[in-house]
Amino acid sequence: AQRVTQPEKLLSVFKGAPVELKCNYSYSGSPELFWYVQYSRQRLQLLLRHISRESIKGFTADLNKGETSFHLKKPFAQEEDSAMYYCALSSRGGSNYKLTFGKGTLLTVNP
Amino acid sequence: DAGITQSPRHKVTETGTPVTLRCHQTENHRYMYWYRQDPGHGLRLIHYSYGVKDTDKGEVSDGYSVSRSKTEDFLLTLESATSSQTSVYFCAISRGGSTGDTQYFGPGTRLTVL
Repeated sequence: AQRVTQPEKLLSVFKGAPVELKCNYSYSGSPELFWYVQYSRQRLQLLLRHISRESIKGFTADLNKGETSFHLKKPFAQEEDSAMYYCALSSRGGSNYKLTFGKGTLLTVNP
Repeated sequence: DAGITQSPRHKVTETGTPVTLRCHQTENHRYMYWYRQDPGHGLRLIHYSYGVKDTDKGEVSDGYSVSRSKTEDFLLTLESATSSQTSVYFCAISRGGSTGDTQYFGPGTRLTVL
């Protein structure tokens, strides 16, 4: 069975500091991983996915299959980055596709 | 917002009453999902649908049922609401067909069971 672990419930940094949100996964197949973000009382929205290897709002994430990790990084945090971040793993069972989410990390960027 | 709406957006009900939440999409996507979001648990999948009348259970399906009679609507029913079902419920849709597909989320329904 697949599992996604986000070890930090809360992460607090100062504006301009680097930030790294950790995500580890457990999956027997070839992983497809995503980061979703939820700003205060808004719907979840896709931040990035590893297959597109893009940088959104200055965030990047690299899939490390050896360490089974997909950590989210940003070199200089901004106050508007304060939000809940979820790491998710996509899996297939037959012809059905599901996302398994981590429990989330609440990032606070202080001025 | 990928054409997803949820209704109602807020609901307060009493223990033992039936509750139905509606998810409506205008994207004609094949897959629809219901999640609940709780502090300390993140998002957990309740049920999902991979086509009209095709549904399956997620990890926290006990106490919930779903129906999908047409592509655009996916209903979540709590037959007899309990206080443990107080939560924020999110609907999501995706095209399906690939593990790389993005899920798009609705605005959520905040349900309080007294």
